[in-house]
Amino acid sequence: GAVVSQHPSRVICKSGTSVKIECRSLDFQATTMFWYRQFPKQSLMLMATSNEGSKATYEQGVEKDKFLINHASLTLSTLTVTSAHPEDSSFYICSARVAGNTIYFGEGSWLTVV
Amino acid sequence: QQQVKQSPQSLIVQKGGISIINCAYENTAFDYFPWYQQFPGKGPALLIAIRPDVSEKKEGRFTISFNKSAKQFSLHIMDSQPGDSATYFCAAVNQAGTALIFGKGTTLSVSS
Repeated sequence: GAVVSQHPSRVICKSGTSVKIECRSLDFQATTMFWYRQFPKQSLMLMATSNEGSKATYEQGVEKDKFLINHASLTLSTLTVTSAHPEDSSFYICSARVAGNTIYFGEGSWLTVV
Repeated sequence: QQQVKQSPQSLIVQKGGISIINCAYENTAFDYFPWYQQFPGKGPALLIAIRPDVSEKKEGRFTISFNKSAKQFSLHIMDSQPGDSATYFCAAVNQAGTALIFGKGTTLSVSS
């Protein structure tokens, strides 16, 4: 099946710095990618939807200036957490949509802000 | 309203038994209904999916039953195994493929 790769799988950063997470579709082109955040033992919370070549659409309550999303190509979307704080520590997961609305997820990225 | 209600929140099943998880949606704009399996610390993996023009879909031990008029769908895991112990999420995707809404998840434990 289709593969979505996320990198890094784990990252630790200092409070106040920025960190970038990459999401790549390895064997297909993804015009739409989704970014989620998941807290322990909870469901996935949609943060934003990114479409290749256009601005991301953010869900209500998600700070677009803090969580910068770029979808520069049909195979790559990035999430940058700017001026990270400990409360931003979480599991971030991307997904990509293929034709027919099948959606595949990456393995997720654990962010710890210290 | 964009919401998918999933139940039960947790489920314990004996090895070899049938696990049943139910979901209900409200928005008729949804037309693709996937189920995902997630193990701790991993991203969700697509398990099986169905479209509303089909009432049932079976893949191995996993079956989705779909009731369009009731706006409900369910996942049945036959001959449940300890390796099936995971969190299962139902989801709904709109026709444009621009929105994927998850249920709150069901934690399944299969006891040996």
